[in-house]
Amino acid sequence: EIVLTQSPGTLSLSPGERATLSCRASQSISSSSLAWYQQKPGQAPRLLIYGASSRAAGIPDRFSGSGSGTGFTLIISSLEPEDFAVYYCQHYGTSSWTFGQGTKVEIK
Amino acid sequence: QVQLVQSGAEVKKPGASVNVSCKASGYTFIGYYIHWVRQAPGQGLEWMGRINPKSGDTNYAQNFQGRVTMTRDTSISTAYMELSSLRSDDTAVYYCANLVSTVIYWGQGALVTVSS
Repeated sequence: EIVLTQSPGTLSLSPGERATLSCRASQSISSSSLAWYQQKPGQAPRLLIYGASSRAAGIPDRFSGSGSGTGFTLIISSLEPEDFAVYYCQHYGTSSWTFGQGTKVEIK
Repeated sequence: QVQLVQSGAEVKKPGASVNVSCKASGYTFIGYYIHWVRQAPGQGLEWMGRINPKSGDTNYAQNFQGRVTMTRDTSISTAYMELSSLRSDDTAVYYCANLVSTVIYWGQGALVTVSS
């Protein structure tokens, strides 16, 4: 079973700053099956990135994803007030899905 | 456009069962797996399993083996998730989701509260 570990657990930043979120897999996974989500309280997860680096429809270009093998990164280039939320990475494998434990991006 | 619309909130007593539905539209229902994911209050996302709507074949996460049953009704493009022997720690929002082409779509979630 693939385990995804996200770091840091909490990121305290100010609007306008750059956020770098990490997702490490316990074994090598295909880039085509790695996604990132944003979730705000009371809402369903919102797909940001799929295939490790492709932005979902309507996602601003300040969000970017990269990585391969066991290491993946989500970058928010300049935080907007609406970006403060919890972010999850996900491996959507051929037979099961796995999620990281989440990174909370909070206002400093 | 792809839409997954789930049934409403439920309140159940410990030991009871709950059945959550997920009605799909905007794509060929039998063409793509439906997955179920839950999220306990203040916690992360937990994959429960999936169903192949075409064949009815299922794969369940180990944590839920023996307690979860996933079914579907192709005539109305609807998937169901039944969880039995409910405990207080089953209180969570239950989501259905699918991967259509390269995009993952989610239902709005259904809150299940287990309380005596």
